[in-house]
Amino acid sequence: NAGVTQTPKFQVLKTGQSMTLQCAQDMNHEYMSWYRQDPGMGLRLIHYSVGAGITDQGEVPNGYNVSRSTTEDFPLRLLSAAPSQTSVYFCASSYNKGEHGYTFGSGTRLTVV
Amino acid sequence: AQSVTQPDIHITVSEGASLELRCNYSYGATPYLFWYVQSPGQGLQLLLKYFSGDTLVQGIKGFEAEFKRSQSSFNLRKPSVHWSDAAEYFCVGGTASKLTFGTGTRLQVTL
Repeated sequence: NAGVTQTPKFQVLKTGQSMTLQCAQDMNHEYMSWYRQDPGMGLRLIHYSVGAGITDQGEVPNGYNVSRSTTEDFPLRLLSAAPSQTSVYFCASSYNKGEHGYTFGSGTRLTVV
Repeated sequence: AQSVTQPDIHITVSEGASLELRCNYSYGATPYLFWYVQSPGQGLQLLLKYFSGDTLVQGIKGFEAEFKRSQSSFNLRKPSVHWSDAAEYFCVGGTASKLTFGTGTRLQVTL
């Protein structure tokens, strides 16, 4: 099925651990981005990419790294997990400049203890 | 700075009643504008979008929104709400590559 696939769906980490959230899309979309959702704050942009090899920071990039080696994949790395990174993470992709809307994955619920 | 404001955190309506969710945006130029819906524990689904042309846009599930440049608003409407419409609704502004979300309005529907 065409769409945005995120793995894992749930994850519990200990403070200081690292991990990678996976995101893959099969729609040949140029634009991909990562958001975190926290209660009462909507979704906030962490990092985004406008094409393979090109990434940039969003509103809340600290503590996260990204890379875009292929059009399909856009993994998000937590370098040293902190309780403040407990959140629901969404990956999204869009064709061209995004004026047709973004397709979102189903999310990863991350808890850092 | 770009921003999207949803002034209503929570709204309750009776099934069959009409609905209007408010959204105001602040951008240097007219952004792309969207409404997304999120059911509990689910991802986000695009309801409708505006980027140019007709200021009244139709979406899925019987929703519509009207872009008013003079008021910097993009309010979402539905003439008759169904119980299944209970969810959280996000107004979203976009430029090339970036989306800015409002904080969301939670809709409760009473029977």
